[in-house]
Amino acid sequence: SQQGEEDPQALSIQEGENATMNCSYKTSINNLQWYRQNSGRGLVHLILIRSNEREKHSGRLRVTLDTSKKSSSLLITASRAADTASYFCATAGSSGGFKTIFGAGTRLFVKA
Amino acid sequence: GEEVAQTPKHLVRGEGQKAKLYCAPIKGHSYVFWYQQVLKNEFKFLISFQNENVFDETGMPKERFSAKCLPNSPCSLEIQATKLEDSAVYFCASSQRTNAGELFFGEGSRLTVL
Repeated sequence: SQQGEEDPQALSIQEGENATMNCSYKTSINNLQWYRQNSGRGLVHLILIRSNEREKHSGRLRVTLDTSKKSSSLLITASRAADTASYFCATAGSSGGFKTIFGAGTRLFVKA
Repeated sequence: GEEVAQTPKHLVRGEGQKAKLYCAPIKGHSYVFWYQQVLKNEFKFLISFQNENVFDETGMPKERFSAKCLPNSPCSLEIQATKLEDSAVYFCASSQRTNAGELFFGEGSRLTVL
């Protein structure tokens, strides 16, 4: 089964509000990444947080990682209609191998 | 090139026919990954390569799926005797480094099996 599981599955907010998405995973990781997918397009990398980091910021994005709970959250502040997309967390394992595992994603709708 | 190029964008096949998809990774990227996305849901890992060597093929349905990355050629993913459940978007991604690095994705190839 896939490693990362996001919740909620779907989120609808008004423009200007903050959006928080969560991700849980099962095994030990080397890093955790968040990606965005606009409808019909490929994934775009947003941010990477390493297993020894707890928080990371990039523009309006804030990611936290709690390795003891095997969970991460992505916060998008002051959301815009253009943020409407699906967001996926992905984990790269510390046990080696060459695969990054993705969860099922959170669909975010930002209403103008 | 500066981006991952996948061809064809759309492919329609009758059940039992062969399908072949291509991927040109970003120049200088040694690692290539194939993923399958069904109904805009989760990305199922299929296989990864370092240059022309397979490193992880744990996601491949080996009976009908095969993949190659040969020198000086686009990588390919081939499905023999397609089934209805193979209908999906197949994404290729490339990376400069191992699983510790950011993946750069192509726009995907949509396979429809009728």
